[in-house]
Order: sequence, then structure tokens, then C-alpha cells
Amino acid sequence: NAGVTQTPKFQVLKTGQSMTLQCAQDMNHEYMSWYRQDPGMGLRLIHYSVGAGITDQGEVPNGYNVSRSTTEDFPLRLLSAAPSQTSVYFCASRDLPNTGELFFGEGSRLTVL
Amino acid sequence: GDSVTQMEGPVTLSEEAFLTINCTYTATGYPSLFWYVQYPGEGLQLLLKATKADDKGSNKGFEATYRKETTSFHLEKGSVQVSDSAVYFCALFNSGGYQKVTFGTGTKLQVIP
Repeated sequence: NAGVTQTPKFQVLKTGQSMTLQCAQDMNHEYMSWYRQDPGMGLRLIHYSVGAGITDQGEVPNGYNVSRSTTEDFPLRLLSAAPSQTSVYFCASRDLPNTGELFFGEGSRLTVL
Repeated sequence: GDSVTQMEGPVTLSEEAFLTINCTYTATGYPSLFWYVQYPGEGLQLLLKATKADDKGSNKGFEATYRKETTSFHLEKGSVQVSDSAVYFCALFNSGGYQKVTFGTGTKLQVIP
């Protein structure tokens, strides 16, 4: 089982460039989310979705856009990258409703120069 | 709002030593509590969980008991192995609001032979 698949695993951008981090899950989960992981700060929620066509902001949404056109896919877009967006990004999904167990991808390490 | 506080690391132990990683939480209502583990270069994966007060979660020799009176969910293992070296995250899920999973900042464990 593939679970949650993220691409790319590594990316280097220059300030002002745009890119999309891809996330796909094959577990038919309604809930999908994006987190960023920074040293000493744990995981912070960027955006989340409770189903196709429904998205909402988390704790740190500025500088990021998302869309959810299918149950399987939840891409994260950086429209104009900034050095403050250098981080490791994780996509995670879960069933709705449930007790909150999240299934994570392997992460995407992004460096913005 | 909800929050999770866990002991700062890194924690360095010799093989077969006893492990405790402290975790306390603040939340309204009756959250579910989790421990996730992140091995080097990988995403987070669920280690154990407890959904109500006095429940004990256990897996791979790790245990944690949901203590509502002290708002704690400390992780313990009687004899750690080198393969347990990882970052451990305490987390809570509150079914109120937008059903967010809140993470602690993580505790890095290094086990030396």
C-alpha cells in the first residue's frame, strides 16, 4: 500500500520563485492537511481539507495556497517563495470522523535561497 | 486554545536504560492523546494512543497512560535499544472546533551502545 505519497522529496528555490508540492493518498481519506516542521517548533498546520472542494486555513497559512479537486490529491502551492519558507513539509491524511490518527507522507525538504 | 508541552531534548541514553519522556497538555473537553515517532529521514508514524482518561496505550515496548488529573501522557520504555533512536512527538486530538491535531515540539532520543 502506498499510503500518502509526497513529491518532490527535495527542492531548492530562489526567492520569488513559485512551486507546487504534490500530495496523494490512496486510503480514501476525507481529511488531508499540510504541516511544516521547523527546529524547536514542532509541526504547525498550514492548511487542511475535509473533502473535495473544501479547504480551510490552519495556524500558518500566509504565503501558501491549496485546492482539493479530488479526494486523492491535495497540492500545496508557494506563489512567491521566501527564505522563511525553508522547512520540511509533511502531508497527512485521516478518516472522518475518527479519533485523530494521522497518516503522514515522508516529507518534502524545501530550501529557499 | 489547545497546547502540548513536552520535555526538551535531546535525550541521550545507554542501551537498556529506562526511558521517560514527559508530556503535559491543555485542552477543553476530552481529547484523545497520541505519541508519534519520526525515524531519521522519514515521516511521522503513530506509536501509541489513548482515547479516554486512565487508558494505557502500548506498542513496541513503549507505554503511556492518559492521566486527566495531572493532564499528562508520559512516554515510558523499560529498556531502550539503539533502534529506538528517533524524534518523539506528543499530540492531542480534540473533536471540537475544526478537529485539529496539536503537536508538541518533539523530543530527540539518541541511544548509544
